[in-house]
Amino acid sequence: SQKIEQNSEALNIQEGKTATLTCNYTNYSPAYLQWYRQDPGRGPVFLLLIRENEKEKRKERLKVTFDTTLKQSLFHITASQPADSATYLCALNYGGSQGNLIFGKGTKLSVKP
Amino acid sequence: DAGVIQSPRHEVTEMGQEVTLRCKPISGHDYLFWYRQTMMRGLELLIYFNNNVPIDDSGMPEDRFSAKMPNASFSTLKIQPSEPRDSAVYFCASSRTAPGVYEQYFGPGTRLTVT
Repeated sequence: SQKIEQNSEALNIQEGKTATLTCNYTNYSPAYLQWYRQDPGRGPVFLLLIRENEKEKRKERLKVTFDTTLKQSLFHITASQPADSATYLCALNYGGSQGNLIFGKGTKLSVKP
Repeated sequence: DAGVIQSPRHEVTEMGQEVTLRCKPISGHDYLFWYRQTMMRGLELLIYFNNNVPIDDSGMPEDRFSAKMPNASFSTLKIQPSEPRDSAVYFCASSRTAPGVYEQYFGPGTRLTVT
């Protein structure tokens, strides 16, 4: 069956460290993968998109990698801050349509001062 | 732009009652999505529309659920009759067709509790 998994339900790190979140998938060949941030009581907010032919994408303190051989994406937040505390969701496209997006269950990141 | 608007924000109803959730997408967006989020199952796509036409409703749990999009600025998700297992947060999201643009914009969600 098709699956998308975010390996950690929760991740606790110290302020200033780099947070690394993992997203693995099976039985898909996605054209692209997205990462979203979700704060309590709010809807997800788009952060980054990376295409199958891209190895790495950066935006300010965020970095995403995409390894189609390993079927894995890594999401990094460098110099983490307490304000980065949230749940981060990965989502991948399937079926060739822009509308077909499947989400992982998310990783709850807590950054301690 | 005000973003995706959903109403109501909270809904508490008794089992067997009809529930209608409403969504106004961002102006100019031609895709509209309905999702359901629970702790157990995460964020699940229920149905999505493109240019007001339902494209994929394979995520709709059963016939008790129905969705409509009568025009580009309004959509409803209806549950009739509602059951306690329908309790969840329901999100509406929209996006637009543009080369390389695929991100979805989510509304604040409707928290549904069925007792």
